[in-house]
Amino acid sequence: DAMVIQNPRYQVTQFGKPVTLSCSQTLNHNVMYWYQQKSSQAPKLLFHYYDKDFNNEADTPDNFQSRRPNTSFCFLDIRSPGLGDAAMYLCATSRDGGASAVRETQYFGPGTRLLVL
Amino acid sequence: KQEVTQIPAALSVPEGENLVLNCSFTDSAIYNLQWFRQDPGKGLTSLLLIQSSQREQTSGRLNASLDKSSGRSTLYIAASQPGDSATYLCAVNSGGGADGLTFGKGTHLIIQP
Repeated sequence: DAMVIQNPRYQVTQFGKPVTLSCSQTLNHNVMYWYQQKSSQAPKLLFHYYDKDFNNEADTPDNFQSRRPNTSFCFLDIRSPGLGDAAMYLCATSRDGGASAVRETQYFGPGTRLLVL
Repeated sequence: KQEVTQIPAALSVPEGENLVLNCSFTDSAIYNLQWFRQDPGKGLTSLLLIQSSQREQTSGRLNASLDKSSGRSTLYIAASQPGDSATYLCAVNSGGGADGLTFGKGTHLIIQP
């Protein structure tokens, strides 16, 4: 089945130690998103890629970076994790290019829960 | 800046009841609105997407309506089942087809057997 895959599902890191979260998709969608969801909070958009074009949200801390080496993969790098970065990180994809529900729907992966010690 | 609010924050009803979840947004200039379901510790599952030109969408026992001018959407769940227990999130796309979503905090729904 076509899907959005996130690895690992759980990640434990130490305060200040760089960590990378991975997302891959078999949907061949041209747009990929990263959201951060803290406990009992709404998911918050960090950034997204439209093809190779990177779009950063204005209030996303510089500590968060992203890479998209090809259509299928997208990475979230946290350069120096702090205790406040503990959260669920959600990757999503969509296919842009025409106004239809199929093309506009965002499809989410299962998420990676990050714990910072 | 778009803000999305969902009421109630939590809801518990007996199995078989019909129920309505509410979502409101501050900027009516939206591109589309999407309803998701989230099970504990899991990712989001898309339920319905309503484009800005539409008034409602239906999928099985779910019906979502959109009143863009008043900044409101409702998700109607008919004949609720214990398996419907989850958190339901409303999200709006304000910018365009490829833009990210602004989410509400969700309604935590419990269906009592």
